[in-house]
Amino acid sequence: KAGVTQTPRYLIKTRGQQVTLSCSPISGHRSVSWYQQTPGQGLQFLFEYFSETQRNKGNFPGRFSGRQFSNSRSEMNVSTLELGDSALYLCASSLDAYTDTQYFGPGTRLTVL
Amino acid sequence: KQEVTQIPAALSVPEGENLVLNCSFTDSAIYNLQWFRQDPGKGLTSLLLIQSSQREQTSGRLNASLDKSSGRSTLYIAASQPGDSATYLCAVRPYSGAGSYQLTFGKGTKLSVIP
Repeated sequence: KAGVTQTPRYLIKTRGQQVTLSCSPISGHRSVSWYQQTPGQGLQFLFEYFSETQRNKGNFPGRFSGRQFSNSRSEMNVSTLELGDSALYLCASSLDAYTDTQYFGPGTRLTVL
Repeated sequence: KQEVTQIPAALSVPEGENLVLNCSFTDSAIYNLQWFRQDPGKGLTSLLLIQSSQREQTSGRLNASLDKSSGRSTLYIAASQPGDSATYLCAVRPYSGAGSYQLTFGKGTKLSVIP
């Protein structure tokens, strides 16, 4: 079974631009979560989607948004990029319930100049 | 709000040594606890998942324990190898309070196994 895939793997943007990241979960997984990882803050939860609905949201500004499609693929969008948005963005998928194992993708490295 | 702490932040051991990594959390109202490893610049690899009703889980040379009442988990690595060098992260999924249902991570322990 293929693992979680994320595209693109690397991105360089300038302040004020917007960016869209994509995540394809493991086949059959209905839950997709997004995390931001920085050296200072570590791993922080952004949001989770389940069956095309946002099921949970972390403490991030409204510039961070996401969506999930009927095939469970998910996209994350960040508008009006700031220098502090430079981070590794990780996507994870799981089967269904909160008791299930989360499987992570390789991440998208975003650099904001 | 749930907080997860991992001590030490870094650990260096000679090859072949058995070692223990520690994780503590502040609120025992959790669904489960999961251990991950992360290689530099890469994503997370799931190692072990312990449900709140379980005391331990084993996979190969790895054994993880959970003491929910004291808010502690340990990851035991037997006969360490240079390939075990990575950052080890623990995460809990709380079911009550601020941040409910969100996987909450510690900052990790960076392990170096010296040949």
